Amino acid sequence: GQNIDQPTEMTATEGAIVQINCTYQTSGFNGLFWYQQHAGEAPTFLSYNVLDGLEEKGRFSSFLSRSKGYSYLLLKELQMKDSASYLCAVKDSNYQLIWGAGTKLIIKP
Amino acid sequence: TAGITQAPTSQILAAGRSMTLRCTQDMRHNAMYWYRQDLGLGLRLIHYSNTAGTTGKGEVPDGYSVSRANTDDFPLTLASAVPSQTSVYFCASSDSETGELFFGEGSRLTVL
Repeated sequence: GQNIDQPTEMTATEGAIVQINCTYQTSGFNGLFWYQQHAGEAPTFLSYNVLDGLEEKGRFSSFLSRSKGYSYLLLKELQMKDSASYLCAVKDSNYQLIWGAGTKLIIKP
Repeated sequence: TAGITQAPTSQILAAGRSMTLRCTQDMRHNAMYWYRQDLGLGLRLIHYSNTAGTTGKGEVPDGYSVSRANTDDFPLTLASAVPSQTSVYFCASSDSETGELFFGEGSRLTVL
């Protein structure tokens, strides 16, 4: 079967750095997405990786290793508004998205 | 504001009743999707449409039907609601070049 694993919840301090990991086992791979979802709101796009390596976008970076079936989202200089759930999703061989259950990130002052 | 509009935002429905969740996009995206989101689970695909006039079944299609008469509209119908269909429903469309999904604000449905 297809599976996406992420930690259920993480806690970090304002101003610090946090890394959210995602491991996947899917039938084929055609890219990996990270989305942010604030409580009661819709998911919004953060990043897309299709090749190995690090993609940096402001305070957020996303890393992919296809050989290890692994990705992480790195958030720097954490702000209170970063408190949200972070969803990892992989596009499989049929170009369908398989979603992880999400990681709830709690930022403390 | 351009994007995806869902209606209603929230609804309480008696078991056995029918309900249609509406979804309209103005981005001219070909592909559209309906997901349900339940606590502790990832987004699960109910139905999708790659282009107007075509639809397909996702991971959890039972009890739901969709239609895609034109590019902009993609309604989801529950013919006879059951309590297990209590969930938050998200409509989405995708950009054909990047595959990025754009989501509506969600419809919270409670079936009693």
